[in-house]
Amino acid sequence: KQEVTQIPAALSVPEGENLVLNCSFTDSAIYNLQWFRQDPGKGLTSLLLIQSSQREQTSGRLNASLDKSSGRSTLYIAASQPGDSATYLCAVKGGYQKVTFGIGTKLQVIP
Amino acid sequence: EAQVTQNPRYLITVTGKKLTVTCSQNMNHEYMSWYRQDPGLGLRQIYYSMNVEVTDKGDVPEGYKVSRKEKRNFPLILESPSPNQTSLYFCASSLSGTGSGYEQYFGPGTRLTVT
Repeated sequence: KQEVTQIPAALSVPEGENLVLNCSFTDSAIYNLQWFRQDPGKGLTSLLLIQSSQREQTSGRLNASLDKSSGRSTLYIAASQPGDSATYLCAVKGGYQKVTFGIGTKLQVIP
Repeated sequence: EAQVTQNPRYLITVTGKKLTVTCSQNMNHEYMSWYRQDPGLGLRQIYYSMNVEVTDKGDVPEGYKVSRKEKRNFPLILESPSPNQTSLYFCASSLSGTGSGYEQYFGPGTRLTVT
């Protein structure tokens, strides 16, 4: 059974700092990995999708990488802003099209 | 506007009273899925549907039913709700269930309380 772990569980950084969020998964036979953000009491907003054949994806200040063989993905956020404060979730689509989520990293960017 | 809608957004009910949470998408997506989100456990997949008339269990299907009679709709049915089904529920869809290039889009969530 796929297991997805996100480290750290919470992170507090000053505005302007670059930061890295980590996601690891136990079964490397995946179709894709998707990063989301979730604001308190809200739904999920898709940030980036990395297909199993890709190494990284970029969108604005966000860059996600995937190392399928080692079961790891990172989300890099450049020049963090208070508006980036949210919980970040990674989700892995694996065998039989099942999706497994990590519990998330709660990010606070301090002005 | 392309979106996934869920109704109701909030629901308080009593143990044993059958309920249905509706999910609809207007993006002609093949793949639809239901999740529940609980503190400390994250989001867990309940059921998913690759296309019309094809559904399969996720990790936590007990106590739930689904049906996919039309491409756009994927209702979640709780035949006899219990307090341990109190949770935040999300519906999601993607263009295709097969292949690796299709991201999931999520609805706004339904907060269910069973007393």
